[in-house]
Amino acid sequence: DIVMTQSPDSLAVSLGERATINCKSSQSVLYSSNNNNYLAWYQQKPGQPPKLLIYWASTRESGVPDRFSGSGSGTDFTLTISSLQAEDVAVYYCQQYYSTPLTFGPGTKVDIK
Amino acid sequence: EVQLLESGGGLVQPGGSLRLSCAASGFTFSSYAMSWVRQAPGKGLEWVSTISGSGGDTYYADSVKGRFTISRDNSKNTLYLQMNSLRAEDSAVYYCAKSIYDVLTPSPYWGQGTLVTVSS
Repeated sequence: DIVMTQSPDSLAVSLGERATINCKSSQSVLYSSNNNNYLAWYQQKPGQPPKLLIYWASTRESGVPDRFSGSGSGTDFTLTISSLQAEDVAVYYCQQYYSTPLTFGPGTKVDIK
Repeated sequence: EVQLLESGGGLVQPGGSLRLSCAASGFTFSSYAMSWVRQAPGKGLEWVSTISGSGGDTYYADSVKGRFTISRDNSKNTLYLQMNSLRAEDSAVYYCAKSIYDVLTPSPYWGQGTLVTVSS
């Protein structure tokens, strides 16, 4: 099974400042035949289902603000919120869909400082 | 508009059974893989199972293999999860989710979830 880890567990950022979340997979999720990284990022607010933000490691889902961006390849990935807004307070999860069992990271809680 | 509506959750005793349903609308149901993902209270997300659009391929987490069965009725646009031999650790909100297309793709659409509580 591919184990996903995230850092930090939580972070508090001032409004308008940058938030950076890291995700690491225990093995590469880069599929060489199509050069795609099978890595997604989700946002979950309290009492709500997860919302897909990013897939293929860096493709923004339709309707997601451009302050959210994803980067990385292979085993190391980053979700960046370039200018934190109040509505971005949430838990963020990375997920690999390279192979079953599909696995999620433990989550990173983002708060306002 | 894509809509996913789960039902069937509730309180069940350990060792009991429950069948969850997910009614889908707003898209061609048979063209997309569907999944169940659960979240225990205050915990993270755990993938449970995925089924291909045709229903011919199914995948399970080790934690539920042999106890849970995923299925779909494409004529009724409905996804199911039959849960047997339930344990306390199966207590969670169960979400159904629609894949972007194939089995190994992420899920841009999720239902609101249905709560399963396994307790005596």
